[in-house]
Amino acid sequence: AQSVTQLGSHVSVSEGALVLLRCNYSSSVPPYLFWYVQYPNQGLQLLLKYTSAATLVKGINGFEAEFKKSETSFHLTKPSAHMSDAAEYFCAVSDIGTGANSKLTFGKGITLSVRP
Amino acid sequence: KAGVTQTPRYLIKTRGQQVTLSCSPISGHRSVSWYQQTPGQGLQFLFEYFSETQRNKGNFPGRFSGRQFSNSRSEMNVSTLELGDSALYLCASSLFTAVLSDTQYFGPGTRLTVL
Repeated sequence: AQSVTQLGSHVSVSEGALVLLRCNYSSSVPPYLFWYVQYPNQGLQLLLKYTSAATLVKGINGFEAEFKKSETSFHLTKPSAHMSDAAEYFCAVSDIGTGANSKLTFGKGITLSVRP
Repeated sequence: KAGVTQTPRYLIKTRGQQVTLSCSPISGHRSVSWYQQTPGQGLQFLFEYFSETQRNKGNFPGRFSGRQFSNSRSEMNVSTLELGDSALYLCASSLFTAVLSDTQYFGPGTRLTVL
């Protein structure tokens, strides 16, 4: 079964600093990977997804992630943090074993704080 | 295009009661999935419906059930509520092209509190 691991539960950066949120996956087949963001009292919003078309994936709000098969990683980065980036971020892998992406397995999530 | 809507947004119930949550997917989306989010267990997959049929099911007791209607709207039901059922219940819809990896679009969730 596929799984994802997000190291650490909380990351704090200064405004304008690099954001790096780590995600490692476990999958017996090439995975489909996703990053979602959740703002307080809201649902999840897709930031970006990896579907094997390109290893460097660009998403919304200036975020991007690089798929590294050798490291089984899909880390999320943003060159310059903004106060509005403060939220909880989830890495997820789809259960492609069933032939559909209807079941997502999520990591525990990382809370990003941005200091002025 | 309107997003995924969930009703109600907030719900308070007592132990032993049952509850029904509703989800309207994005127009044209045929797959609806449900997730439970709690501080302790995080986001966990409940089940997924496509064309009124349950295709996938997570590891939850039989007290949790769902259904999908012909217009793709979905409901989930929790019977004999327990304190541990207090959670944010998220619904997600997707096109299900069966060719590309579908994106799941999430609704704002229903916050269920069991007293």
